[in-house]
Parts: sequence; structure tokens; C-alpha cells
Amino acid sequence: ETGVTQTPRHLVMGMTNKKSLKCEQHLGHNAMYWYKQSAKKPLELMFVYNFKEQTENNSVPSRFSPECPNSSHLFLHLHTLQPEDSALYLCASSHEVGGLGANVLTFGAGSRLTVL
Amino acid sequence: QQQVKQSPQSLIVQKGGISIINCAYENTAFDYFPWYQQFPGKGPALLIAIRPDVSEKKEGRFTISFNKSAKQFSLHIMDSQPGDSATYFCAASYMRFGAGTRLTVKP
Repeated sequence: ETGVTQTPRHLVMGMTNKKSLKCEQHLGHNAMYWYKQSAKKPLELMFVYNFKEQTENNSVPSRFSPECPNSSHLFLHLHTLQPEDSALYLCASSHEVGGLGANVLTFGAGSRLTVL
Repeated sequence: QQQVKQSPQSLIVQKGGISIINCAYENTAFDYFPWYQQFPGKGPALLIAIRPDVSEKKEGRFTISFNKSAKQFSLHIMDSQPGDSATYFCAASYMRFGAGTRLTVKP
């Protein structure tokens, strides 16, 4: 596979469930990102990882817990979510943050999350 | 938070017409301004991008105009086609995105 792959594509969970979103990139990139996309709102940057190290946490509630075991994989662990957390969660990758290629993002197709 | 303001929210253009989407930013520290195109069920894909030391960049039917003093930039789609119907996002670096413009090109 090539590009950025996100699984699952759709997820429905209750407020007390624990689930995880997975992202995998086969582009040789060293930076990975999580964004939240809600209808008619700007994409919200959530987390940034550069060479597996978290470099940005955009004041995201602790019910969202990211994990980056290596430069190719990124997870978003979800627990005790609220209905307002329902959104499309997009993963992206790029060359390392701080380098010239950091701004060129390749996005996955997203994971559509519905919290009941 | 430093915002990127995008307008219009939606745009309907006839085939062959010019589509124009505008964005304004606040933080002059940004040095890269991309536009992304998103089709339903897909993630955003980079369309064209510009750096603030350039006033215009053209790639095929797509042109970015950049006004550094006004902190504004715009996307022009010439000879718009039904296949251009999508949502377009402007951005400042990877950090700040506009709210998107849903473009519909009518045949």
C-alpha cells in the first residue's frame, strides 16, 4: 500500500467505550499529525509527532490519547468521549517538522467517529 | 488562536467560469500557504502552494495570488469544470486552516 491509510473508516462508540484509531504511512515521512474535522469549521490541529516524539499538543482533552510507536504508525486512543467529539479524524504525514518539506501534508481518508 | 479566515463558505459557478476563493491570515510568521482540495469521502489533497516572497503562482488552471501587506491570498480556478466540484481549504503552514469553501461547478 502507498500513501496514508486510516482504520477504521467508520466508528460508532458509546460514551463509556474505549476504542483506538490507527494511521499508517508508507511515504518514508518522519512527522505525523492528527486533525479533527467538524462540519463548517476549520481543521483543528490536535497533535504533532516528529521522529516519534510529540512536539505539539493543541490543548486537546485528555480523553484523546495519542501514541506514536515509530515514524510509520500513529494511534489515537479514545475513552470517555462526549457526543461533541463526533467528527472526522484525519491523520497526515510529512517530512520532518523544521525541514523544508514539513508543510507539505499527505492526508489519509479519515476515520468518521460517532459518539452516542 | 491565530485564525485563517476563508470566504465564501459556498460558491456556485457555471462551467467555464472563474472560481475565486479568498483567505486572510493574522500571523506574519507563517511562511507557507497551501490550498487543499477535498472530495467527499477523501482526505484533503495538496492542490497548490505559495511562499510569501512570491506574489503569484500558477499551475495549470489554478493560480494563487498573494498580498503580503494585506495578509491575504486567494485561489483562482480558471475555466472551472464540473470535476472541480469539491471543498477547498486554505492554510497557513500545517498549523491553521480555513473553514473551507464548497465549490459547485454547474454543467
